[in-house]
Amino acid sequence: GAVVSQHPSWVICKSGTSVKIECRSLDFQATTMFWYRQFPKQSLMLMATSNEGSKATYEQGVEKDKFLINHASLTLSTLTVTSAHPEDSSFYICSARDPGTDYEQYFGPGTRLTVT
Amino acid sequence: GQNIDQPTEMTATEGAIVQINCTYQTSGFNGLFWYQQHAGEAPTFLSYNVLDGLEEKGRFSSFLSRSKGYSYLLLKELQMKDSASYLCAVSDNDYKLSFGAGTTVTVRA
Repeated sequence: GAVVSQHPSWVICKSGTSVKIECRSLDFQATTMFWYRQFPKQSLMLMATSNEGSKATYEQGVEKDKFLINHASLTLSTLTVTSAHPEDSSFYICSARDPGTDYEQYFGPGTRLTVT
Repeated sequence: GQNIDQPTEMTATEGAIVQINCTYQTSGFNGLFWYQQHAGEAPTFLSYNVLDGLEEKGRFSSFLSRSKGYSYLLLKELQMKDSASYLCAVSDNDYKLSFGAGTTVTVRA
């Protein structure tokens, strides 16, 4: 199956700093990527939809100025957590939709963010 | 919006069968997915149903009834490695996935 990578796999940062997470589709072009957040013992919550060449669309309650999404190419989307705080500590997972398939999304391995 | 319900926890014995139910109420429907997720890892795809009926894939089967807003995932011949969280997710017409809270399955020897 298709492969989606994320980098870094884990990151620790200090409160007030910004962190960038990359999501790459390795063997297909993804016009649409999705960013999810998962807190411990909870399910995945969709944060935003990243569309190549256009602005991301954010789910209700997600601050677009805090979680900056850029989808500059068909294989790369980035999520930047700006001015991170401890409550932003979470597991961030991206997925990419292969337009060559009817339905399947491929998930990246996730990025564990810890803000101290 | 989407409302997806599934049991929180289930326990079964190695070699047994477990059925995880999922009910949903959605404002758009483009298919229902089941994913397996081990702690600290990303979800892995198990099954997809968009038409009513049963889809069988090895030890795992998934069923969908669109009129009832109901699906189940059937795990047969349980193995210890099947201990994980199982996520029911519904796709809307924009391919956005809404996830249930997940069912933690514990397989005991």
